[in-house]
Amino acid sequence: DADVTQTPRNRITKTGKRIMLECSQTKGHDRMYWYRQDPGLGLRLIYYSFDVKDINKGEISDGYSVSRQAQAKFSLSLESAIPNQTALYFCATRGSDTQYFGPGTRLTVL
Amino acid sequence: AQSVAQPEDQVNVAEGNPLTVKCTYSVSGNPYLFWYVQYPNRGLQFLLKYITGDNLVKGSYGFEAEFNKSQTSFHLKKPSALVSDSALYFCAVRDASGGFKTIFGAGTRLFVKA
Repeated sequence: DADVTQTPRNRITKTGKRIMLECSQTKGHDRMYWYRQDPGLGLRLIYYSFDVKDINKGEISDGYSVSRQAQAKFSLSLESAIPNQTALYFCATRGSDTQYFGPGTRLTVL
Repeated sequence: AQSVAQPEDQVNVAEGNPLTVKCTYSVSGNPYLFWYVQYPNRGLQFLLKYITGDNLVKGSYGFEAEFNKSQTSFHLKKPSALVSDSALYFCAVRDASGGFKTIFGAGTRLFVKA
């Protein structure tokens, strides 16, 4: 079984809809991250969490919110989706040094 | 502020030839440096890291990278490329002196031709 799982893997939605992307991990790591990947821009950090009570904004948090329901679960919400949020979204955890990534969620906002 | 530059969008190499994927970085303190690889429809996978010690770091799948402090570089290398090495490669840096965020480069696409 994968250490970091994301659901859904693909989602197409319309402008203005609320969307939630979910992430679960079995690595027992406290640190969890949400990134978006756009061609030519690499990965940009949306939010990160050091534990259930510690959530921090990344470099591109506008238009997004997160919830850390448990050590193993970290969800990302788009309150009102817009087309420029079309991207590939990755969840990741971090142990001492190395990050472990989920398979990604491809989100398309029409 | 931390930053990472991967100056080449794409690198093309023939199978069996050596390959190099370039990375330069900027941090205020000492760097922790990483290479990740992304295959189609997959998440990023860890390849190797430099934390401290020997400047030449060996990682998965025969890859290695050399930390050069004076040139602030951490180039990824492999002596003999395989077609299966074709993928998107990301360099990343984190400031060792208390930095919590890892900054990723834009990525370099490697094409290995048979």
